[in-house]
Amino acid sequence: NAGVTQTPKFRVLKTGQSMTLLCAQDMNHEYMYWYRQDPGMGLRLIHYSVGEGTTAKGEVPDGYNVSRLKKQNFLLGLESAAPSQTSVYFCASTGINQPQHFGDGTRLSIL
Amino acid sequence: LAKTTQPISMDSYEGQEVNITCSHNNIATNDYITWYQQFPSQGPRFIIQGYKTKVTNEVASLFIPADRKSSTLSLPRVSLSDTAVYYCLVGDIRKAAGNKLTFGGGTRVLVKP
Repeated sequence: NAGVTQTPKFRVLKTGQSMTLLCAQDMNHEYMYWYRQDPGMGLRLIHYSVGEGTTAKGEVPDGYNVSRLKKQNFLLGLESAAPSQTSVYFCASTGINQPQHFGDGTRLSIL
Repeated sequence: LAKTTQPISMDSYEGQEVNITCSHNNIATNDYITWYQQFPSQGPRFIIQGYKTKVTNEVASLFIPADRKSSTLSLPRVSLSDTAVYYCLVGDIRKAAGNKLTFGGGTRVLVKP
């Protein structure tokens, strides 16, 4: 069982570059989430989606965009990367009355 | 969203029981209490979830008093591999808008030989 798969696992960017992080889940979950985790801290919600074609802002949405064109995929985009976006990014998915299932994260460094 | 408060860190020894208490004074009627475990370089992993009284599964027990303003995660006979960060979260998992969870700083549990 793959569960939640994040691509890539590691990436180094230069300030101003753009990139897209991909999250894929094979559990037919309706809800998907993007979090960031900074050193020694808990996870903070960036954006989330309650279904295909829908997205909503979380706690720290600035500087990020998302898309949910297919139910199984949730993309997180950085249009113009900034050093403050250096972090570990986690994707999660769930259904109603279920706990969230997390991927193993994408480590992103922005120089 | 209900805010949670839990100890920053706890030390224990192999074979001992570890109890982590989480305070959530503003818990709402429809909120559930969920605990996650996170190892370094991995995403959080679901441990246990409950609404009231006691819940037990193969890895942990969750005790919730009648007023639901706190909860205690109990890990029986811990081993070195239980060294991790444990997060207590409170939220309504039934909401159609999805269970947006607020992660606090968690409790770092160190199990010593």
